[in-house]
Amino acid sequence: KQEVTQIPAALSVPEGENLVLNCSFTDSAIYNLQWFRQDPGKGLTSLLLIQSSQREQTSGRLNASLDKSSGRSTLYIAASQPGDSATYLCAVWRAGGTSYGKLTFGQGTILTVHP
Amino acid sequence: DAGITQSPRHKVTETGTPVTLRCHQTENHRYMYWYRQDPGHGLRLIHYSYGVKDTDKGEVSDGYSVSRSKTEDFLLTLESATSSQTSVYFCAIRLTGTNYEQYFGPGTRLTVT
Repeated sequence: KQEVTQIPAALSVPEGENLVLNCSFTDSAIYNLQWFRQDPGKGLTSLLLIQSSQREQTSGRLNASLDKSSGRSTLYIAASQPGDSATYLCAVWRAGGTSYGKLTFGQGTILTVHP
Repeated sequence: DAGITQSPRHKVTETGTPVTLRCHQTENHRYMYWYRQDPGHGLRLIHYSYGVKDTDKGEVSDGYSVSRSKTEDFLLTLESATSSQTSVYFCAIRLTGTNYEQYFGPGTRLTVT
């Protein structure tokens, strides 16, 4: 059974810092990994998707890397801003069979960026 | 937002009553999913659909049923609601082709008293 762990569970940083969020998964046979952002009381917003054949993806100040063999992904946020405050979730899609894109989620990292 | 809406957005119901949640999408996506989100458990898959009338169970399907009679609507039914089904329910769609991103709806907050 795939298990996804996110560390740290919570992170508080001053504005302007560069930071790294970690995601690890137990079964390296994944098809892709997706990072989401969730604001309080809201739905999930897709940030980045990394296919299993890719090493990283970038979008603006966000960079996500994937090391499938070691079961790890990181989300790097450059020059953090108070508007980045949210819960960040990673999810993996297991490869093989009729998985049909069923995602397994981590518990999330709650990020607070203070002015 | 991939054109996903959920209704109702909030609902309070009593134990033992049937409840149906609706997910509606406007972009003809084939794959649709229902998740629930609970503190301490994160997001967990309830049921999913890979086409009209094609559905299957996820990891927490007990007490839930689904139906998809047309592409745009995916219904989640709690046959007899229990307090353990108090949760936030999210619907999602998955893109096809070369990009398999999933996009989520705004959620339905369900309280069973």
